[in-house]
Amino acid sequence: DTEVTQTPKHLVMGMTNKKSLKCEQHMGHRAMYWYKQKAKKPPELMFVYSYEKLSINESVPSRFSPECPNSSLLNLHLHALQPEDSALYLCASSQLTSYEQYFGPGTRLTVT
Amino acid sequence: KQEVTQIPAALSVPEGENLVLNCSFTDSAIYNLQWFRQDPGKGLTSLLLIQSSQREQTSGRLNASLDKSSGRSTLYIAASQPGDSATYLCAVSNAGGTSYGKLTFGQGTILTVHP
Repeated sequence: DTEVTQTPKHLVMGMTNKKSLKCEQHMGHRAMYWYKQKAKKPPELMFVYSYEKLSINESVPSRFSPECPNSSLLNLHLHALQPEDSALYLCASSQLTSYEQYFGPGTRLTVT
Repeated sequence: KQEVTQIPAALSVPEGENLVLNCSFTDSAIYNLQWFRQDPGKGLTSLLLIQSSQREQTSGRLNASLDKSSGRSTLYIAASQPGDSATYLCAVSNAGGTSYGKLTFGQGTILTVHP
């Protein structure tokens, strides 16, 4: 099973809302990633977790708050977002040997 | 700082053609290189992973090569089909410290295969 799942598929939220994105994998991968992708651009790395600990934060604004409660689950908590944060949010996972990344289908986020 | 360039930016070919997508990177100290496919509005599908010690990988009609010293990779697609139409992304992971998991992407090649 090489599947990474993400929920919800679509999310519309106002600038004062709090919401969360969820990512799950059952491949035994110990690295998990959040990416942001704007239209017609490649994905941009936001966060990397290794062994459930945050190892990379690419200077992401604090209105994005990641959480890795266990080795299979990765959350991204959203609060007070701006319209320019509207994008496709992708989750990925990999082993800590090959680092071959497997991506989920993404959550399409619209901030109104 | 690693930079990845993909040429061409877009490619339109008739069905059945063999084609080559190019990827170049500026820092040869890579750990691996990965080719992805992305359909509109969807996630990325991993096509091929080449470790830095490898020269090529093959999967079905796809063949990817890596020349680390010259900073180049090519993705060869044989006998293209309309279902191959998608954006193809090349990404490299550098070696060392926390760089291993950090992918640097090219801008992608938009491929259209018409019947």
